[in-house]
Amino acid sequence: EPEVTQTPSHQVTQMGQEVILRCVPISNHLYFYWYRQILGQKVEFLVSFYNNEISEKSEIFDDQFSVERPDGSNFTLKIRSTKLEDSAMYFCASTPLYQETQYFGPGTRLLVL
Amino acid sequence: DAKTTQPTSMDCAEGRAANLPCNHSTISGNEYVYWYRQIHSQGPQYIIHGLKNNETNEMASLIITEDRKSSTLILPHATLRDTAVYYCIVRVAGGTSYGKLTFGQGTILTVHP
Repeated sequence: EPEVTQTPSHQVTQMGQEVILRCVPISNHLYFYWYRQILGQKVEFLVSFYNNEISEKSEIFDDQFSVERPDGSNFTLKIRSTKLEDSAMYFCASTPLYQETQYFGPGTRLLVL
Repeated sequence: DAKTTQPTSMDCAEGRAANLPCNHSTISGNEYVYWYRQIHSQGPQYIIHGLKNNETNEMASLIITEDRKSSTLILPHATLRDTAVYYCIVRVAGGTSYGKLTFGQGTILTVHP
C-alpha cells in the first residue's frame, strides 16, 4: 500500500540554522499538509498546499516557514532560522482529489539546540 | 469545525471490544465525524469517518446517534497493538474543506493482556 514518506527521521540543528524537512506524498495525491507536535502536546496544523500555492496556514506558520513542491514528487518545509521552540515532530500528510482523508507520514523529529 | 469532547483515557482487555465515545453536540449538517489514532508519536493514522449512517471497515465500526450529537468508535477485538491515542474530529465536507484537521487531546486507549 502506498505511503507518505519523510526524511530525515531525526534532525538535530543549532538555533539559528536553516532546516529543510522533506516529504514524498502518495503519488496521485494533490493536497499536501504539514503539521507539528511538540512533545506531550496536540498535533497542530501548520499549512496546506494545493496547485503550487498555500491554501491555508495557521498562526504558527510565520515568515520563518516556507513550503515548496520543487518537483513532481517532493514536498518540503523550510524553517529559515530555527528557534528552540521549533523542536517538535513534524508530520507531512496528503490527500487525493475528491477524497478528504488525510494520510500521514511517520514524521521527522527536529531538535533545536 | 465543531468542538468534540472525549474521555481522557480508557482501558480495555485484549480480545474484548473497545468502545470509544465522542460528544459533538454542536455538529452541523454538513460536518463529518472522523476518527484517527496515533500510536506512540507515529504519524496519525486514519481509521474511519461517517456523516450520519453507521460505518464499518476492516479496522473499526462507527456508530453515530440519530441526532448526530455523539458517536462511538468500536474496535471489535482489541489487541495490544491498538494501544494508542484516538482522536475524534468533526470536519466540514466539500468546498474549502481540503484543509486542516483540528486535533484535540484525544482518548488514550490502553489495551491490557
